[in-house]
Amino acid sequence: SQTIHQWPATLVQPVGSPLSLECTVEGTSNPNLYWYRQAAGRGLQLLFYSVGIGQISSEVPQNLSASRPQDRQFILSSKKLLLSDSGFYLCAWSVWWDRTSRNEKLFFGSGTQLSVL
Amino acid sequence: SQQGEEDPQALSIQEGENATMNCSYKTSINNLQWYRQNSGRGLVHLILIRSNEREKHSGRLRVTLDTSKKSSSLLITASRAADTASYFCATEWGAQKLVFGQGTRLTINP
Repeated sequence: SQTIHQWPATLVQPVGSPLSLECTVEGTSNPNLYWYRQAAGRGLQLLFYSVGIGQISSEVPQNLSASRPQDRQFILSSKKLLLSDSGFYLCAWSVWWDRTSRNEKLFFGSGTQLSVL
Repeated sequence: SQQGEEDPQALSIQEGENATMNCSYKTSINNLQWYRQNSGRGLVHLILIRSNEREKHSGRLRVTLDTSKKSSSLLITASRAADTASYFCATEWGAQKLVFGQGTRLTINP
């Protein structure tokens, strides 16, 4: 069965410090990978998505970057965090490209609560 | 920009009652999905309804879709305390990406 791991669960970082959040998926090959951010009590904002190794699409201009060094690994980074980077970060995967199996849905990790102080 | 908008933003009902949440979207869709999020957790897929479907059932969930009105509703029957969560609708935006609404926070009172 497929599983998704996202860590850490909670992170408190000072303004100006770097960030690295990691997400890995097991039990599937060539997944689409996504990073979403959720402000408190709000909906999800798509930050990045990737359809393959080294292929990253950015949805919004921001202080963050993403990388996909391996097929099932997705990393969210920042060189210098801002207060506005605080939020709940969610990684997700899908095999949406395989529409014949009706896999048009996302599977989410458990999230990382980031507080920038 | 956000594609889906849920209504109401918050809903509080007694256990055993039915809960109805609505979602409106802006452009034509291939399908519409509903997800559930427990507090501080990731989202879990509940149900997907395609644009050529009008109604779909899954256990105590009933989803309807009206493409002429660009709206969908999620009905949870015989609610339980464990149904307390936020519920989001989502639609495909571009290729293989989902855009989520702001969500409805549902509270089931025992």
